[in-house]
Amino acid sequence: EAQVTQNPRYLITVTGKKLTVTCSQNMNHEYMSWYRQDPGLGLRQIYYSMNVEVTDKGDVPEGYKVSRKEKRNFPLILESPSPNQTSLYFCATAPRLTGSSNQPQHFGDGTRLSIL
Amino acid sequence: QKEVEQNSGPLSVPEGAIASLNCTYSDRGSQSFFWYRQYSGKSPELIMSIYSNGDKEDGRFTAQLNKASQYVSLLIRDSQPSDSATYLCAVTPSNTGKLIFGQGTTLQVKP
Repeated sequence: EAQVTQNPRYLITVTGKKLTVTCSQNMNHEYMSWYRQDPGLGLRQIYYSMNVEVTDKGDVPEGYKVSRKEKRNFPLILESPSPNQTSLYFCATAPRLTGSSNQPQHFGDGTRLSIL
Repeated sequence: QKEVEQNSGPLSVPEGAIASLNCTYSDRGSQSFFWYRQYSGKSPELIMSIYSNGDKEDGRFTAQLNKASQYVSLLIRDSQPSDSATYLCAVTPSNTGKLIFGQGTTLQVKP
């Protein structure tokens, strides 16, 4: 079964304690991305990766790090989380981006982070 | 000006009616356009993708794209209460790997 798996699904933590949200896909997709969703602000892209070892900033990258060492995994790292990073986070994947007819992205189930 | 704009709604239609959802975008070079549906607390799920001017139909859903007017719409025919959700318009700006979402339109279909 094609899946985008995020872990953990829920996390409550404290300011400054480093955390990692994992994203794994079994579809051999080249493109992976992270979003956060906040009331009134909608879905905003944090980082994306066109392929292994290639990452780029989205619209709200501050306070986040990513790495793409292998095709199937794209972890989101919060080195020093702050309360303003409390949000619902989604990982998404797509087969590839061609530039003219980009294939749609498919989303994981989401991770709800609360930073106190 | 926001890159992708939608009316937040709520848009309320009776069961069986046609729901019309609209979206405008600012990057004239945008090439790929998507409609997602999101139920409360769930992840977005793809309804339609459209890449060229005109209409694209899939079951009860029709996406319409007008690049000259920088406008994309979604029509839902024979609306059902189960269609009640937030509908997100998403656009890939030219020459980027980004995906920009509108804030979404909440649709309420009343039995």
